Amino acid sequence: EPEVTQTPSHQVTQMGQEVILRCVPISNHLYFYWYRQILGQKVEFLVSFYNNEISEKSEIFDDQFSVERPDGSNFTLKIRSTKLEDSAMYFCASSEQGRGETQYFGPGTRLLVL
Amino acid sequence: QQPVQSPQAVILREGEDAVINCSSSKALYSVHWYRQKHGEAPVFLMILLKGGEQKGHDKISASFNEKKQQSSLYLTASQLSYSGTYFCGTRSGGYNKLIFGAGTRLAVHP
Repeated sequence: EPEVTQTPSHQVTQMGQEVILRCVPISNHLYFYWYRQILGQKVEFLVSFYNNEISEKSEIFDDQFSVERPDGSNFTLKIRSTKLEDSAMYFCASSEQGRGETQYFGPGTRLLVL
Repeated sequence: QQPVQSPQAVILREGEDAVINCSSSKALYSVHWYRQKHGEAPVFLMILLKGGEQKGHDKISASFNEKKQQSSLYLTASQLSYSGTYFCGTRSGGYNKLIFGAGTRLAVHP
């Protein structure tokens, strides 16, 4: 069964450093998402991406964040200058269509900012 | 706005039933239920769409009251594997994003 994959599984970085989180969505899916989950809390929407552009973003997704689909398979989340409060589990998700379709989550990248 | 889930936590013995509720102050297009085990990604369980269509799990059922903007997840004859945190994610209007509730922790004991 096709799965969303994410790399790395864990990332430790120093405050102020840039990180890039990578995702490979399910191959025939057209909509891509990033969510994050701070330890012990709920899953929060960051951004959705369709047709090579951002379709929605949350208040969390400020100028420090960017997303890109550099090729036909990868979908990346970049945090330009990490802060302590960026420490969280970051999940990538994808769906075949937009509304009314299941979003399948990847295993996540645990980011720790020191 | 984030949907409200209740209860916050449930403890069951194997074989017992549970109901988890999710309500929203906004009109809903769809409700998505996920289960998350500690340290793992949310796993899709069920989606309920406006208009009555339902897709998902054969051992877990759910309802969606569009007028009341509420959904309930029914776990019957619970198994140890049902333990985890259950999240409802809601979609409103023309948006694709899921807004998740705070979660309901379910623990099933032998």
